[in-house]
Amino acid sequence: QTVVTQEPSFSVSPGGTVTLTCGLSSGSVSTSYYPTWYQQTPGQAPRTLIYSTNTRSSGVPDRFSGSILGNKAALTITGAQADDESDYYCVLYMGSDYYVFGTGTKVTVL
Amino acid sequence: QVQLQESGPGLVKPSGTLSLTCAVSGGSISGSNWWSWVRQPPGKGLEWIGEIYESGSTNYNPTLKSRVTISVDKAKNQFSVKLSSVTAADTAVYYCARNGDHYFDYWGQGTLVTVSS
Repeated sequence: QTVVTQEPSFSVSPGGTVTLTCGLSSGSVSTSYYPTWYQQTPGQAPRTLIYSTNTRSSGVPDRFSGSILGNKAALTITGAQADDESDYYCVLYMGSDYYVFGTGTKVTVL
Repeated sequence: QVQLQESGPGLVKPSGTLSLTCAVSGGSISGSNWWSWVRQPPGKGLEWIGEIYESGSTNYNPTLKSRVTISVDKAKNQFSVKLSSVTAADTAVYYCARNGDHYFDYWGQGTLVTVSS
């Protein structure tokens, strides 16, 4: 069973920068996994931030960016704002018509 | 703008079958997209359940494959999920979503299904 791991939580100061990562229990994440990042606030459906590693979804501020860092996918928030306080999930396409979500990261802005 | 709306019973008895439908509006289910179900237990993370194409082709999460059936009704522009032999662990918010290019680009608002006697 493939596990996609994320940091449980991160705290960032307003205006600060934070990088969340998305890794595999075995192996490296590459662009072939089409890493996607979602933001979710309580009671709401996930909102797409980044897809296909680094493509920003329509209407997403450019302070959100995606990349591959080493053997993981990464989401960087540059210039964090109060309303960035949310849960963030990555999802990987496993190549055999199967998707796995990451464990999620709770970001606090304070 | 594509919109998705889940519907179905909010309470299912243990060992019973959970059945939900996703109505698609603002677009046709008979396009070039796959359509997925995703769930989220209260306070926990997201889990992909499976997907279906207009032709009826399906792919399922291996951990749920033995209990899940996803079907499509092109005439009604909707698709459905059935999950059998449910337990309390299947209590979750269930979302339907449209697959874009290897990701889920449109989501329903989600519906909470509780498994309890």
